[in-house]
Amino acid sequence: GIQVEQSPPDLILQEGANSTLRCNFSDSVNNLQWFHQNPWGQLINLFYIPSGTKQNGRLSATTVATERYSLLYISSSQTTDSGVYFCLFNSGGSNYKLTFGKGTLLTVNP
Amino acid sequence: NAGVTQTPKFQVLKTGQSMTLQCAQDMNHEYMSWYRQDPGMGLRLIHYSVGAGITDQGEVPNGYNVSRSTTEDFPLRLLSAAPSQTSVYFCASSFGGQNEKLFFGSGTQLSVL
Repeated sequence: GIQVEQSPPDLILQEGANSTLRCNFSDSVNNLQWFHQNPWGQLINLFYIPSGTKQNGRLSATTVATERYSLLYISSSQTTDSGVYFCLFNSGGSNYKLTFGKGTLLTVNP
Repeated sequence: NAGVTQTPKFQVLKTGQSMTLQCAQDMNHEYMSWYRQDPGMGLRLIHYSVGAGITDQGEVPNGYNVSRSTTEDFPLRLLSAAPSQTSVYFCASSFGGQNEKLFFGSGTQLSVL
């Protein structure tokens, strides 16, 4: 079956540090999204990025479809960035199922 | 514009009871889906629907039923609740299908005693 693997599983940072989260997937990509789950459990869509690079403030994401991975960059991290970051993947075609990675738990300390 | 609305937010059941988790969206989205989230397991797909009258199984469908009689609503039914179904349940929808941006409801925390 389709594999979606995220790394690292856990990350602890000091406020102001930068970080890179990775999502590897085992098939050709048609849909790749990044989500942040805040400490209240809410899932917030950060990026819809099946290819290329996008930026939104301190966050940016890049998907390299030919090499089957996506990266989420967080610069100048803040305590409010804490939470779990998930990538979501679909290979398209007749596959209607969207698959989540297991997430990266990010803790930003003041 | 409410987005994706889930009810209830919290529910406690006894083993063997039945209940329905409600999900409604007002964005005219064709694709709707249910996920459960368990510690260490991430979010796993239970059932999904690509339009009214069309449903299919996801990764963990056993013990759950769904129907899609309208575009707006996608209820999830537990026919005989089991402790293994204790979890947080999320409903999600997207406009054009599995290749579009996904929007989530706020979740239902279910405990089965």
